[in-house]
Amino acid sequence: ELKVEQNPLFLSMQEGKNYTIYCNYSTTSDRLYWYRQDPGKSLESLFVLLSNGAVKQEGRLMASLDTKARLSTLHITAAVHDLSATYFCAVDIRAAGTYKYIFGTGTRLKVLA
Amino acid sequence: DTAVSQTPKYLVTQMGNDKSIKCEQNLGHDTMYWYKQDSKKFLKIMFSYNNKELIINETVPNRFSPKSPDKAHLNLHINSLELGDSAVYFCASSQSGTSNQPQHFGDGTRLSIL
Repeated sequence: ELKVEQNPLFLSMQEGKNYTIYCNYSTTSDRLYWYRQDPGKSLESLFVLLSNGAVKQEGRLMASLDTKARLSTLHITAAVHDLSATYFCAVDIRAAGTYKYIFGTGTRLKVLA
Repeated sequence: DTAVSQTPKYLVTQMGNDKSIKCEQNLGHDTMYWYKQDSKKFLKIMFSYNNKELIINETVPNRFSPKSPDKAHLNLHINSLELGDSAVYFCASSQSGTSNQPQHFGDGTRLSIL
């Protein structure tokens, strides 16, 4: 069974600090996505990672993908309050005529001023 | 212009009723999805349609029936609503077969069963 697990599930951090969110998945995939969800809002795409070793950066967020380890990381640099949200990774599996798109458990991030 | 729009935004109804949620996308995408997000924020895919054909049909009660009249619309009809159906339902769309673009989500429909 395909599983996508994130840790931590909850993260409370001070402004200015760095931290990493981890996304592990249980089967082979070359495509991994990161999304952000603000409370009561929709999901917004952050990054699309398409190959082993892919690294993408936008502002204080940097995402990377290691397909051999089946691991993606979302690194937060010098956190600010505006980054408070829930972050989801998602994995896309296409094989033998089947298609699955599975979201991780989510990491609820709270940045304290 | 809203790219993926769902109606209604809020739906409060009694147990046992039948209700529909509509979704439309104006992005020209060929694939649409329905997700359920529970109170713990877990997101679970329910259905996916590609060019009006069902391609993902996860284990959901058959009280839930998707309908795609054309590739820009994917509606969700729910019969005999139960308390456990209370959740936020998100519609999303994407373009398959191209450079692996992310999904674009609607604003969600918050369904509350009394």
